[in-house]
Amino acid sequence: TQLLEQSPQFLSIQEGENLTVYCNSSSVFSSLQWYRQEPGEGPVLLVTVVTGGEVKKLKRLTFQFGDARKDSSLHITAAQPGDTGLYLCAGNAGGTSYGKLTFGQGTILTVHP
Amino acid sequence: GAVVSQHPSWVICKSGTSVKIECRSLDFQATTMFWYRQFPKQSLMLMATSNEGSKATYEQGVEKDKFLINHASLTLSTLTVTSAHPEDSSFYICSAPGGRGSTSPLHFGNGTRLTVT
Repeated sequence: TQLLEQSPQFLSIQEGENLTVYCNSSSVFSSLQWYRQEPGEGPVLLVTVVTGGEVKKLKRLTFQFGDARKDSSLHITAAQPGDTGLYLCAGNAGGTSYGKLTFGQGTILTVHP
Repeated sequence: GAVVSQHPSWVICKSGTSVKIECRSLDFQATTMFWYRQFPKQSLMLMATSNEGSKATYEQGVEKDKFLINHASLTLSTLTVTSAHPEDSSFYICSAPGGRGSTSPLHFGNGTRLTVT
């Protein structure tokens, strides 16, 4: 069974601060996705990383996929209250199990104005 | 973009009754859909994989007789919580892959908040 360890579980910071969320596994994933979820809604895809060592930027968010494709990080620069939400990493084992993602435990981010 | 519609968004039912939740892919076909359960401030827990035209695949520990899944068409999967009890109260979410590749995103419904009294 593939597991994704996501940390930290909770993060409470002030507006303008930087933060990093980590996802680690002992398993290799063919791709890894990051989602953001707001209360009462379904998760929304932020990014998909595929290549080992890949770095993708989405405005103030920077996503990195580890060289061995076993870990990933999400870095937010100058966090805003609108960034508040539940962030989920999810790995895809590939092959015929497309769509069947392994989710991390999630990180609840609260950004205070 | 691809949209997954989930209905109802919330439901309150009495203990012992059954509740059906629908998940529709609005502008694409989904031979596979996934059903999750989510507790407050926690991650998604995969309950089962719904397969069009065949039986659903349930994750370990999920009672298939309690959580009935039907995927009768390429755009509709339903989850029926049978003989619901208060401990079944939760947020249920469905998703469908946007393609067949490993990089295809999952499109999620907006979830159904089930409260069993």
